[in-house]
Amino acid sequence: AQRVTQPEKLLSVFKGAPVELKCNYSYSGSPELFWYVQYSRQRLQLLLRHISRESIKGFTADLNKGETSFHLKKPFAQEEDSAMYYCALEIQGAQKLVFGQGTRLTINP
Amino acid sequence: EPEVTQTPSHQVTQMGQEVILRCVPISNHLYFYWYRQILGQKVEFLVSFYNNEISEKSEIFDDQFSVERPDGSNFTLKIRSTKLEDSAMYFCASSDVTGLSASEQYFGPGTRLTVT
Repeated sequence: AQRVTQPEKLLSVFKGAPVELKCNYSYSGSPELFWYVQYSRQRLQLLLRHISRESIKGFTADLNKGETSFHLKKPFAQEEDSAMYYCALEIQGAQKLVFGQGTRLTINP
Repeated sequence: EPEVTQTPSHQVTQMGQEVILRCVPISNHLYFYWYRQILGQKVEFLVSFYNNEISEKSEIFDDQFSVERPDGSNFTLKIRSTKLEDSAMYFCASSDVTGLSASEQYFGPGTRLTVT
């Protein structure tokens, strides 16, 4: 069964501290993973995807197939990073995303 | 920058009534989706649509649900006889390519459906 798990519903860190949002997946195929973000009163938007291997707003995420993880990291959190973060798995050939529960990240000043 | 739009932003309806949620995907996109999020739960896939037909649907998408692209711009989700448990935020999304690579889905702002 395809599943995405984000173990932390809430995460609170201080400004300037490192951030890691955890994501684990279960999928028998070759995983295509995404992080979506939803800022307050805004729509869901793509933050980054693993195949791009890019850093967006200082965030990076590495796919670890051995650990079936795709954790999102940022070395120095900023207040504007406060948002809801969703990890998502694309099911190949099915044109759908499977989302994790989401993690609400709060950056304290 | 083009965006997916959805109307209405909030719909209140009585149990047993039909509702139609409307979406205007990004104009050059070919793939369209509906997701829903019950309060406090995860975003769940409902259905995907390509070339005027459903390409994938979840077990949630039963006979009470239907989708349509009535013209060149709108994409609608109809719930024939709403139940209390249909109360949720419904998101429309669109993408330009899929299947071959990880494609970005662009989401609308959502319609909050409240069934009383």
